[in-house]
Amino acid sequence: DSGVTQTPKHLITATGQRVTLRCSPRSGDLSVYWYQQSLDQGLQFLIQYYNGEERAKGNILERFSAQQFPDLHSELNLSSLELGDSALYFCASSASPGTVYGYTFGSGTRLTVV
Amino acid sequence: DQQVKQNSPSLSVQEGRISILNCDYTNSMFDYFLWYKKYPAEGPTFLISISSIKDKNEDGRFTVFLNKSAKHLSLHIVPSQPGDSAVYFCAAEGGNAGNMLTFGGGTRLMVKP
Repeated sequence: DSGVTQTPKHLITATGQRVTLRCSPRSGDLSVYWYQQSLDQGLQFLIQYYNGEERAKGNILERFSAQQFPDLHSELNLSSLELGDSALYFCASSASPGTVYGYTFGSGTRLTVV
Repeated sequence: DQQVKQNSPSLSVQEGRISILNCDYTNSMFDYFLWYKKYPAEGPTFLISISSIKDKNEDGRFTVFLNKSAKHLSLHIVPSQPGDSAVYFCAAEGGNAGNMLTFGGGTRLMVKP
């Protein structure tokens, strides 16, 4: 157990629907990162939050949004889902905005859009 | 624009031999490099890192080499063990707000007994 908790582990939904992925960071970590891994692809950075504030944005679609709550858990909202959104979505956390000690990743949420 | 590339999608090595995984990058602003290991159905786990001020970092069976002039790093695993079979991602940090990591596409390592 890495200490980063992601729910649900699996999600199957239809095109056009909206889903919410949840992440609880490791205790004491203020920074949360969301990454997408499509089939046989690398990890694509989506967005980062630090202590409730958006810190950096990557290749995140306008249909996707995220937030970090006062208790530091984060949610990634995916709407108007398309088949191409099927992927593994990873959340990671770190103690600070920097990554000298690396991130700690959760085990991911596998999203399947049918 | 792939700033971090792992050109070998897979690598097969005999147990006990050396595994060498390679990674190239294009952004000269990167100043910290990391390797992650990923087993199926799990998230990536941090393996080893190196700062751009160094050219080598060693941790047990794992050594990372950095050649800044060539914008190239490699991970050496000696001796390789069947339990090392996993997907290895290299990642780079630096030159951007938030210090987010840019990952390569991964190399699947298979260590045969």
